Amino acid sequence: DAGITQSPRYKITETGRQVTLMCHQTWSHSYMFWYRQDLGHGLRLIYYSAAADITDKGEVPDGYVVSRSKTENFPLTLESATRSQTSVYFCASSDSGRSGGELFFGEGSRLTVL
Amino acid sequence: GEDVEQSLFLSVREGDSSVINCTYTDSSSTYLYWYKQEPGAGLQLLTYIFSNMDMKQDQRLTVLLNKKDKHLSLRIADTQTGDSAIYFCAEIGMGSSNTGKLIFGQGTTLQVKP
Repeated sequence: DAGITQSPRYKITETGRQVTLMCHQTWSHSYMFWYRQDLGHGLRLIYYSAAADITDKGEVPDGYVVSRSKTENFPLTLESATRSQTSVYFCASSDSGRSGGELFFGEGSRLTVL
Repeated sequence: GEDVEQSLFLSVREGDSSVINCTYTDSSSTYLYWYKQEPGAGLQLLTYIFSNMDMKQDQRLTVLLNKKDKHLSLRIADTQTGDSAIYFCAEIGMGSSNTGKLIFGQGTTLQVKP
């Protein structure tokens, strides 16, 4: 189906483990984003990517790694998970040439770090 | 730095009007957005306004922009229980007009009582 999909939707892990959240979009949008949503903070940008092999840090990048080898995929890796990374993670994509850069969001990945 | 502020909670009765307010800091923002998040889902674009406009109306939604005070509001007329959700105000980040990189507020939870 067309759209933007995230996996897994729910993940429980332990402190120190590596976790990768996957994001896949079928629109061939140039831009992709990872946000985290926490109570009281709204959405905060972790990393974004303007195109394949081009990534840049957002507001809260520490502890996260991203890659973009293909336009359609933008995985987010927590190299050594910490409890403070318990959050809901949203991937989004944008074709900034339309509608002033509307973002299209996935349904989110809820991560719990014990 | 860039900041977007919203009140966290609003409760209204079904049929009343709802007004959700937002203040932002970046006076160079070209677009300002309202996104809606329903429980367990990602964000969806509700409406947006270009910075050279004062008002935009779309069916039950009215967006008002006061550039002098950097104040944005969303009015929902005849609020329905299906409007219960979290509403996010967002602006384009500084220097990001071509990337769709948005700065979000904390979100306002709208509760509609029958």
